[in-house]
Amino acid sequence: AQRVTQPEKLLSVFKGAPVELKCNYSYSGSPELFWYVQYSRQRLQLLLRHISRESIKGFTADLNKGETSFHLKKPFAQEEDSAMYYCALKGTGGSEKLVFGKGTKLTVNP
Amino acid sequence: DTEVTQTPKHLVMGMTNKKSLKCEQHMGHRAMYWYKQKAKKPPELMFVYSYEKLSINESVPSRFSPECPNSSLLNLHLHALQPEDSALYLCASSRRPTRQGSYEQYFGPGTRLTVT
Repeated sequence: AQRVTQPEKLLSVFKGAPVELKCNYSYSGSPELFWYVQYSRQRLQLLLRHISRESIKGFTADLNKGETSFHLKKPFAQEEDSAMYYCALKGTGGSEKLVFGKGTKLTVNP
Repeated sequence: DTEVTQTPKHLVMGMTNKKSLKCEQHMGHRAMYWYKQKAKKPPELMFVYSYEKLSINESVPSRFSPECPNSSLLNLHLHALQPEDSALYLCASSRRPTRQGSYEQYFGPGTRLTVT
């Protein structure tokens, strides 16, 4: 079974501080992982996918298969980063389904 | 056009009503999805259409009936809903079905459904 755990419901940091949003997954095969973000009053949108190994808006995420984690990091948080962040997992091998974690609400204080 | 659109934005219906939600995309995407999202919860997959054919039904009650008339359009027909079905219904699309690769899903703004 596919499962995604985001242990923090709420995370609050000050502007300029580093931020890390945790994501752990459970999947017997080789997973594909994503971070989706939902800013206030906006639609859900893709932030990062692990296969791209890219940095978007200063965020990076590395897949650690040993620790089954895909934590999202940014060295210097900005107020505009305040949003709801969802980690999502797609199983490989013909899987259709994208499973979302419960989400972490990030608040960046001035 | 790089957006998924959904109509209506809001819908209030009684338990005996029949209504439909509509989703449209003109990005040439060949996979479309319905999700249900309750307040402060993540989206939960309901249905997947791949190349206009239903490929996943996540054991959704029959009072929800999806339809994909063509590659750009996805409907969700509602009948005899219960108050607990009140939620935000999200439509999404991707260039190809997720089983073919790590394709980004583009989400619509959702329809806020209230069942009275």
